Amino acid sequence: GAGVSQSPSNKVTEKGKDVELRCDPISGHTALYWYRQRLGQGLEFLIYFQGNSAPDKSGLPSDRFSAERTGESVSTLTIQRTQQEDSAVYLCASSSGGGPHEQYFGPGTRLTVT
Amino acid sequence: AQSVTQLGSHVSVSEGALVLLRCNYSSSVPPYLFWYVQYPNQGLQLLLKYTSAATLVKGINGFEAEFKKSETSFHLTKPSAHMSDAAEYFCAVKKSSGDKLTFGTGTRLAVRP
Repeated sequence: GAGVSQSPSNKVTEKGKDVELRCDPISGHTALYWYRQRLGQGLEFLIYFQGNSAPDKSGLPSDRFSAERTGESVSTLTIQRTQQEDSAVYLCASSSGGGPHEQYFGPGTRLTVT
Repeated sequence: AQSVTQLGSHVSVSEGALVLLRCNYSSSVPPYLFWYVQYPNQGLQLLLKYTSAATLVKGINGFEAEFKKSETSFHLTKPSAHMSDAAEYFCAVKKSSGDKLTFGTGTRLAVRP
């Protein structure tokens, strides 16, 4: 079946512009996660959705970052007034449940802020 | 708070040699542990996971890992490296239902012919 998809695959934007990143999870997966991977570093958790509510948004680095999810479907991560330090690969993952259930990752969106 | 330490940001082995990638975790409760692999310009793929059913876990592509509670370790091994194993490997821990994954900083594996 179809995996997690993300769009765009690459995004180059000017400092100060807003960007919107999209994630389509695996159909039926109730949990959705956003992570950020900076060059040469591990993955940092940003936010977790269960359905369309976000019980854990502790990883969002600033109020410039926001995310929403429509039901148990698409999620969008919005970064306002982008800064150069926002340059990273943004990865989305979905899961059929918590605990031992694995998270399936999308290919990521590479964001470059110039 | 949970954390994961991966010793060695870069590991190089010869083709056919043993692969050993180290992972130590800290967690206040018994965790779930995962190893993911990331090939260049691709997303993460699950290699294997520990869910308390068995301490020795076998995964895909000939990899396995052993959970050692006394050492708080979950090292990844493969008896014989293949050129196609060259990638970045991430160890991750999760505490409970619905919780986020906390990742180590990754180990880049190079395989020499």
